[in-house]
Amino acid sequence: AQSVTQLDSQVPVFEEAPVELRCNYSSSVSVYLFWYVQYPNQGLQLLLKYLSGSTLVESINGFEAEFNKSQTSFHLRKPSVHISDTAEYFCAVSDLRYGGATNKLIFGTGTLLAVQP
Amino acid sequence: DTEVTQTPKHLVMGMTNKKSLKCEQHMGHRAMYWYKQKAKKPPELMFVYSYEKLSINESVPSRFSPECPNSSLLNLHLHALQPEDSALYLCASSQVDIGNTEAFFGQGTRLTVV
Repeated sequence: AQSVTQLDSQVPVFEEAPVELRCNYSSSVSVYLFWYVQYPNQGLQLLLKYLSGSTLVESINGFEAEFNKSQTSFHLRKPSVHISDTAEYFCAVSDLRYGGATNKLIFGTGTLLAVQP
Repeated sequence: DTEVTQTPKHLVMGMTNKKSLKCEQHMGHRAMYWYKQKAKKPPELMFVYSYEKLSINESVPSRFSPECPNSSLLNLHLHALQPEDSALYLCASSQVDIGNTEAFFGQGTRLTVV
């Protein structure tokens, strides 16, 4: 069975500093990988995804993540964070045993990114 | 339109009440999902509908009853809930397509069972 591990429950960081949120996954089959962000009292928004191709994926707001198959990791990075980046970040894998046709997402436990001025 | 709309945003119900959560999308997605999220926890999948047919039920208690009346609508009927069912209920939708599995989430319904 697939699983996702986010070892850091909270990451405090000062504004304009770089940040890395760690995500490791376990799977015996191919997976799709996602990062979702959840602001307080809101739903989840897709930040970026890895389906295939280039192992480095980027979002429009400066985040990037790199798929590393040998280390089974999909860490999220941003070179300079803003106060507005404060949110809960969830890494997720899509269980392709269902044929990829329906997106059964398995989420990690989340990392709270707390950006301080 | 890339929105998934959920109503109501907040709901307080007693343990003997019957209520329904509603979800709507107009992106042409043929897969729709219900997730449950407890405070400070990740979302957990409850149900998946594919082409308006229930394809996954993650062993959810029968007091939760999903319904997909058409390709744009998804309901979750609630009856005889327990206080521990209080949570954020998230609806999501996606295309049924191996090459494009991005799920779009609604803002959720915050449910409190008293």
